[in-house]
Amino acid sequence: AQSVTQLGSHVSVSEGALVLLRCNYSSSVPPYLFWYVQYPNQGLQLLLKYTTGATLVKGINGFEAEFKKSETSFHLTKPSAHMSDAAEYFCAVSESGGYQKVTFGTGTKLQVIP
Amino acid sequence: EADIYQTPRYLVIGTGKKITLECSQTMGHDKMYWYQQDPGMELHLIHYSYGVNSTEKGDLSSESTVSRIRTEHFPLTLESARPSHTSQYLCASTGLGSTGELFFGEGSRLTVL
Repeated sequence: AQSVTQLGSHVSVSEGALVLLRCNYSSSVPPYLFWYVQYPNQGLQLLLKYTTGATLVKGINGFEAEFKKSETSFHLTKPSAHMSDAAEYFCAVSESGGYQKVTFGTGTKLQVIP
Repeated sequence: EADIYQTPRYLVIGTGKKITLECSQTMGHDKMYWYQQDPGMELHLIHYSYGVNSTEKGDLSSESTVSRIRTEHFPLTLESARPSHTSQYLCASTGLGSTGELFFGEGSRLTVL
């Protein structure tokens, strides 16, 4: 069975500061990993994904994440927070093959302080 | 921009009413999903479909039902709404051979009084 743990349901950063949102996963097979962003009253939008190959993946809006197999982590970072980054972020894991069940973390709400 | 649409976006309804939440996608995706989302909780899969005439229950037991008569359409129905059904319902889809990347609609927020 696969699972996702997101440390910190709420994270606050100052505008211009580093954003670090943590995600750890468990999976019995090599995982596919995702970060989604959800703005208020909207659905989820894919930020970035890791499938195979390069372990540092870049996404939209200046975000990136690094797949670390030894740490079973896929933390999301952005060097400099912008007010428009305030949203809820979900980490997700998918197992290859079959119906590709996707399991989501509980989400981290990012607040950006001016 | 994802081409998946949900209606209504917001619905307030009394107990015992029948409701249908609509979900349509124009991407030709075979796989479609319904998730239930409560504040501070992870998304819970309640229904999914591999294609036309295929429907399966997800991880979270739900009193809702779904149908898949057309590839692009995956409506969710509650025969008799109750306050415990108050939640946000998110529809998503993905194509054949995908790595699990989901395309989401904007959600339907249901409030049952």
